[in-house]
Amino acid sequence: AQTVTQSQPEMSVQEAETVTLSCTYDTSESDYYLFWYKQPPSRQMILVIRQEAYKQQNATENRFSVNFQKAAKSFSLKISDSQLGDAAMYFCAPTLRGAQKLVFGQGTRLTINP
Amino acid sequence: DTGVSQDPRHKITKRGQNVTFRCDPISEHNRLYWYRQTLGQGPEFLTYFQNEAQLEKSRLLSDRFSAERPKGSFSTLEIQRTEQGDSAMYLCASSLAAGGTQYFGPGTRLTVL
Repeated sequence: AQTVTQSQPEMSVQEAETVTLSCTYDTSESDYYLFWYKQPPSRQMILVIRQEAYKQQNATENRFSVNFQKAAKSFSLKISDSQLGDAAMYFCAPTLRGAQKLVFGQGTRLTINP
Repeated sequence: DTGVSQDPRHKITKRGQNVTFRCDPISEHNRLYWYRQTLGQGPEFLTYFQNEAQLEKSRLLSDRFSAERPKGSFSTLEIQRTEQGDSAMYLCASSLAAGGTQYFGPGTRLTVL
């Protein structure tokens, strides 16, 4: 069974600074995908960034980047130059290549202080 | 660009009533997923369709729950004899390929009184 742990229930950061959200997971598979989604209050789930496990290069998407450590089963999200609009719940979600479904962590609530 | 849509957005019902939710995926996506999210938790997988075939169901999906995708386009999720524990946000997502990015709809918030 696959489990996902986000050890930081809440994080806060000053606007324009950098914050890192952690995620660890447990799987015996070698081929899978990993996603970070954000869910603003009362709004829908939005994809932030995606990583293929077979790729050694860490994914980046504008101000968002990941630190993927496959051996350690760690997949952290770094947000640079934080903006007020980044305030949301952030969920880490790996999926097995064959299993299709996303397995979500408990989430990290990110607050941006102006 | 039409995303995933869900209807209704909110549903309040009395315990014991039946409810049905609809999901319209992104038009070219052949994979459709249902998840349930309770307050303060991450979403949990319920079921998955590839075209019209329901290929996987979670143990969370009791016999009071049924999902269909009759023509491989929209999907419905029905809950019979609702219970207060069914109160949650029901999310639908769709994707184009295995391991592909799942795009989520706005969800249907169910409140069972």
